[in-house]
Amino acid sequence: AQKITQTQPGMFVQEKEAVTLDCTYDTSDQSYGLFWYKQPSSGEMIFLIYQGSYDEQNATEGRYSLNFQKARKSANLVISASQLGDSAMYFCAMREGPGDKIIFGKGTRLHILP
Amino acid sequence: DTGVSQDPRHKITKRGQNVTFRCDPISEHNRLYWYRQTLGQGPEFLTYFQNEAQLEKSRLLSDRFSAERPKGSFSTLEIQRTEQGDSAMYLCASSRARDSKETQYFGPGTRLLVL
Repeated sequence: AQKITQTQPGMFVQEKEAVTLDCTYDTSDQSYGLFWYKQPSSGEMIFLIYQGSYDEQNATEGRYSLNFQKARKSANLVISASQLGDSAMYFCAMREGPGDKIIFGKGTRLHILP
Repeated sequence: DTGVSQDPRHKITKRGQNVTFRCDPISEHNRLYWYRQTLGQGPEFLTYFQNEAQLEKSRLLSDRFSAERPKGSFSTLEIQRTEQGDSAMYLCASSRARDSKETQYFGPGTRLLVL
């Protein structure tokens, strides 16, 4: 069974609009961490935001916020005021195990339209 | 402060050849991870080191793959007798254990094409 599910293979959004990228996860651990990474066409994985399972507040980093709903096991990424440079692949991920390896979803390709 | 670096950025090789990739982590990071990413997929975990000890290996890491981190700093990933199915992006990441966010920072990757 997938541990990280991203149901939107691709999205098209008008520039300056807000966008929400969906992510649900599956774990039986009480302590876990959730990440979002951005991967532009150059291939580098860029860390965007982190949410710990015990964090009471939703994480925010500039234009990025993570809508963490623990009971629903969802960790959606919200990008406010989207920009053309936001066009990229976005991966939701969860750290797992004693070594904290990261399990990635299949990603959502975001296209920002001018 | 420099980020994670990987060398080479691109590698084209013929089937059956051996290849070696290098990763230099962020200097104060004691954990180093290798991932493989095929086209249209998210990265998949291969192995990780804490200092010089290799603590976990994925079942994806066949016996043709070997990784080392001899002095707890840089790491190498070697693929022997490459196959076309090895064509992928190989990503290295590092983190600082005990960091409250335990965030892994990725390098630019090495794109391998096996002909």
